[in-house]
Amino acid sequence: GAGVSQTPSNKVTEKGKYVELRCDPISGHTALYWYRQSLGQGPEFLIYFQGTGAADDSGLPNDRFFAVRPEGSVSTLKIQRTERGDSAVYLCASSLYATTSYNEQFFGPGTRLTVL
Amino acid sequence: GENVEQHPSTLSVQEGDSAVIKCTYSDSASNYFPWYKQELGKGPQLIIDIRSNVGEKKDQRIAVTLNKTAKHFSLHITETQPEDSAVYFCAARGLGGFKTIFGAGTRLFVKA
Repeated sequence: GAGVSQTPSNKVTEKGKYVELRCDPISGHTALYWYRQSLGQGPEFLIYFQGTGAADDSGLPNDRFFAVRPEGSVSTLKIQRTERGDSAVYLCASSLYATTSYNEQFFGPGTRLTVL
Repeated sequence: GENVEQHPSTLSVQEGDSAVIKCTYSDSASNYFPWYKQELGKGPQLIIDIRSNVGEKKDQRIAVTLNKTAKHFSLHITETQPEDSAVYFCAARGLGGFKTIFGAGTRLFVKA
């Protein structure tokens, strides 16, 4: 399919461990977004990439969270020293551009992270 | 900070009835208001959107209205069907173009 894909679909880890979550955006989309969705809540913005650079990382909760997009396509969200409160579904989205408010963001199915 | 409030949190209707979900936003600079449908195990999917220079938009059984003065916007689904059962999110986006603020969601149940 041509949609946004995320791997793994589920990740169970132990408190204190390091995890990486991967996002493959729609081919040709220059903008990429990460959101976090806690149970029963709407998605919460984490970080936005335009090309290879993080244009806005104001939603990252603390310095344990980091994301990269080295070639302007695939992105990896990295979480160090995981805590139980990090348990959530991590959603990735992409859009063709982000030059106006109207660019449609296409979401992937998410990675469900469980920290034991 | 920017905030979007959504009501009700749960809505149960009989098949064929209408469903209405209401949202308010805090940031007067918001100019784009998408609505998403999220089914279990899937990411949100855009179902309709409205720009701040438009008061109403309709697409088959769904319609959205926007009152910029009151900072209110609403989703209307007519002739509901069981497959409309899902969680619906309203959202707002501002001039920056990338940061979407979501409401907490409405779980819609359509009873056959």
